[in-house]
Amino acid sequence: GQQLNQSPQSMFIQEGEDVSMNCTSSSIFNTWLWYKQDPGEGPVLLIALYKAGELTSNGRLTAQFGITRKDSFLNISASIPSDVGIYFCAGLPTNAGKSTFGDGTTLTVKP
Amino acid sequence: DAGVTQSPTHLIKTRGQQVTLRCSPKSGHDTVSWYQQALGQGPQFIFQYYEEEERQRGNFPDRFSGHQFPNYSSELNVNALLLGDSALYLCASSYGLGNEQFFGPGTRLTVL
Repeated sequence: GQQLNQSPQSMFIQEGEDVSMNCTSSSIFNTWLWYKQDPGEGPVLLIALYKAGELTSNGRLTAQFGITRKDSFLNISASIPSDVGIYFCAGLPTNAGKSTFGDGTTLTVKP
Repeated sequence: DAGVTQSPTHLIKTRGQQVTLRCSPKSGHDTVSWYQQALGQGPQFIFQYYEEEERQRGNFPDRFSGHQFPNYSSELNVNALLLGDSALYLCASSYGLGNEQFFGPGTRLTVL
């Protein structure tokens, strides 16, 4: 089945630093999604990407849909303590509906 | 505008028992998907319901079944529980089959 490789697995950064994480797949996806999950809660949608090459921002977050349709990147600028959490990428294939998730990047921000 | 709601919040069962989890989608949404999230992993797709029918299914055994009601709410049933079924069960809703999904807070199931 489809698998997403998400990296890095974890990150420990200082407040104010920028963060980059990515997802790669052996399969093509029609849509890429980025979620953040806090402990004890469900994932919250951050950014949705629908076209290859698309670059979309949401505040300090910027995500890109890779040209090959097999990867996506998420950048967080000027990190703050509330950015702490687990970030997941998810891909939807051309037949839609069946999201495949990566295993997450755990972000720790030190004040 | 209510988001996705799930009940119960937590549940403890023993091996061999059966469990039913419930989900109400976000207002205006008609599609419900269920996911299993084991500790330290991303959500794994179980199945998706649209127009009261199962539309897509992940790699889960027949012990996992579901239902969608005319008001778009949904249930997930798991029979003959195994220890490995212990996980956070997430419900996600969307408008239509191909659009971004919004998740509920999940139901934490512990099987002893």
